[in-house]
Amino acid sequence: AQKITQTQPGMFVQEKEAVTLDCTYDTSDPSYGLFWYKQPSSGEMIFLIYQGSYDQQNATEGRYSLNFQKARKSANLVISASQLGDSAMYFCAMREWGNNDMRFGAGTRLTVKP
Amino acid sequence: DTAVSQTPKYLVTQMGNDKSIKCEQNLGHDTMYWYKQDSKKFLKIMFSYNNKELIINETVPNRFSPKSPDKAHLNLHINSLELGDSAVYFCASSQKGMGGATSEDTQYFGPGTRLTVL
Repeated sequence: AQKITQTQPGMFVQEKEAVTLDCTYDTSDPSYGLFWYKQPSSGEMIFLIYQGSYDQQNATEGRYSLNFQKARKSANLVISASQLGDSAMYFCAMREWGNNDMRFGAGTRLTVKP
Repeated sequence: DTAVSQTPKYLVTQMGNDKSIKCEQNLGHDTMYWYKQDSKKFLKIMFSYNNKELIINETVPNRFSPKSPDKAHLNLHINSLELGDSAVYFCASSQKGMGGATSEDTQYFGPGTRLTVL
């Protein structure tokens, strides 16, 4: 069974600094996709970034980038130049090629300090 | 234009009642999902439909019944509501979703329905 681990229940970062949110996963499927979502206090789930297991380069989307280390089975989200609006819960998720579902980690609550 | 919409946004009801949550997506996606997010923010898949066909049916009480009248709609009906059903329920959709792990399997979520059972 696939498993997603986010070891940081809460993180703090100073505004304008970069922050890394950790995510490790466990799968025996060689083909899988990794996803990050943001959930602000308003409650909606916002898709941020996707990384495929066969992608040669780390994914980037604006201030978001994924530090993908396949051998370590980690897919850490890096947010550069943090803004107050980045304060939210962040969820890492994985989907295996052979499965129809996506499993989520427990989430990390990020607080950006002014 | 709202991509994935849910109604109602808030639902407060008494134990034992029956209620429904509606979901619609205008993205032309093939697959729709229902998730439950508990008070600790843990997200758990409940059901998934691909082109109106049930493809995921996790271990949830049979008081929960999904219905997909067409590819763009997936409703959730809950019978005999219990206190433990209180949670936020999210609908989501993805372009594909039947096997695969590409960017086309990215799920886009609705705003959520906060259900409170008294």
